[in-house]
Amino acid sequence: GAVVSQHPSRVICKSGTSVKIECRSLDFQATTMFWYRQFPKKSLMLMATSNEGSKATYEQGVEKDKFLINHASLTLSTLTVTSAHPEDSSFYICSARGAGGEKLFFGSGTQLSVL
Amino acid sequence: AQTVTQSQPEMSVQEAETVTLSCTYDTSESNYYLFWYKQPPSRQMILVIRQEAYKQQNATENRFSVNFQKAAKSFSLKISDSQLGDTAMYFCAFMNRDDKIIFGKGTRLHILP
Repeated sequence: GAVVSQHPSRVICKSGTSVKIECRSLDFQATTMFWYRQFPKKSLMLMATSNEGSKATYEQGVEKDKFLINHASLTLSTLTVTSAHPEDSSFYICSARGAGGEKLFFGSGTQLSVL
Repeated sequence: AQTVTQSQPEMSVQEAETVTLSCTYDTSESNYYLFWYKQPPSRQMILVIRQEAYKQQNATENRFSVNFQKAAKSFSLKISDSQLGDTAMYFCAFMNRDDKIIFGKGTRLHILP
């Protein structure tokens, strides 16, 4: 099956710093990528949808200036958490979809801890 | 707005037994996809099974099968001959015409030895 690689798997940073998370589709071209946030023992909450070469579409309540998403190529999307604060600590998961496909392939997630 | 409801926060069954996880959804769309995802302790999301709304036949994948009732907007997952490795969080999910996947709150399933 298709593989989506997400890095880093875990990151600890100081409050006020920025953190970049990468999501790569390894064996297919991902026309659309999605970013989710998951709190402990909770469901996945969609943050934003990114299409290659265009601006990301953010869900209501998600600060676009805090969570910068770039989908510069058909195999890479990045999520940058800017000026991170402890309340941004969470598990972030990306998923990718190829053209014309209804299947989503998920990355393995990134646990962000902001001190 | 589309919603996905999983009414069972947590379930436990003995190994080798059959268990059914329930899911209902709400949408005004006529064509869509439904999924069950498994999230084990590793937190990797794993697709268990998917169903296309325009297909009346219930999807089956080995020990996993669904009971899709379109009129009732119900999409339950049956796990037969449950195994210890089935212990995980299970999410029911709906894909709308914007290709966004909306997840239910999940059911934590424990398979007991």
